[in-house]
Amino acid sequence: ETGVTQSPTHLIKTRGQQVTLRCSSQSGHNTVSWYQQALGQGPQFIFQYYREEENGRGNFPPRFSGLQFPNYSSELNVNALELDDSALYLCASSLSRTGRPLHFGNGTRLTVT
Amino acid sequence: GQNIDQPTEMTATEGAIVQINCTYQTSGFNGLFWYQQHAGEAPTFLSYNVLDGLEEKGRFSSFLSRSKGYSYLLLKELQMKDSASYLCAVEKDSNYQLIWGAGTKLIIKP
Repeated sequence: ETGVTQSPTHLIKTRGQQVTLRCSSQSGHNTVSWYQQALGQGPQFIFQYYREEENGRGNFPPRFSGLQFPNYSSELNVNALELDDSALYLCASSLSRTGRPLHFGNGTRLTVT
Repeated sequence: GQNIDQPTEMTATEGAIVQINCTYQTSGFNGLFWYQQHAGEAPTFLSYNVLDGLEEKGRFSSFLSRSKGYSYLLLKELQMKDSASYLCAVEKDSNYQLIWGAGTKLIIKP
């Protein structure tokens, strides 16, 4: 059974640029959630995708957007990067939108300079 | 508003017992999760409580009191590998989203 994989592992971008983060869900999981985790904080919910449609969104601006593909992999896109976007971005998959528990990938560490 | 509180940091001795508390105030409640997160790694699932009471799973136990908005994670026979952050997260009833605490960094000393 393949777990949740995220790429890239680390990324450095400049303020104002755009970034795309990728996530492959665990085999058999059709739901992907994205979280932002600042240093020393708990994860903050960005949004969830279920069967290719957005199924809930946290308190993040529209410049955070996402996609889910037919194979249930997902992308997180962030436009007009700000310094405060520097964080660990975690992807989690589950068997369904109400599936428990969430299975997390190791995350992408994004640094915005 | 929504609030989840955990101690920032705790220190314990190898072989001992430690209790990590979590109090919450949220609009809606389905259940409460505990996750372990080693530095630079993904959170890994430890427990999920829906009903009041204690659930034991090996060296780890988790307790919930819904009326008090309170949970704790009990770790017994502490090992050095238990040094990690422990995150408490509430599952809201409206949309199954998780609201997370900031985590408790547990330091185990020999």
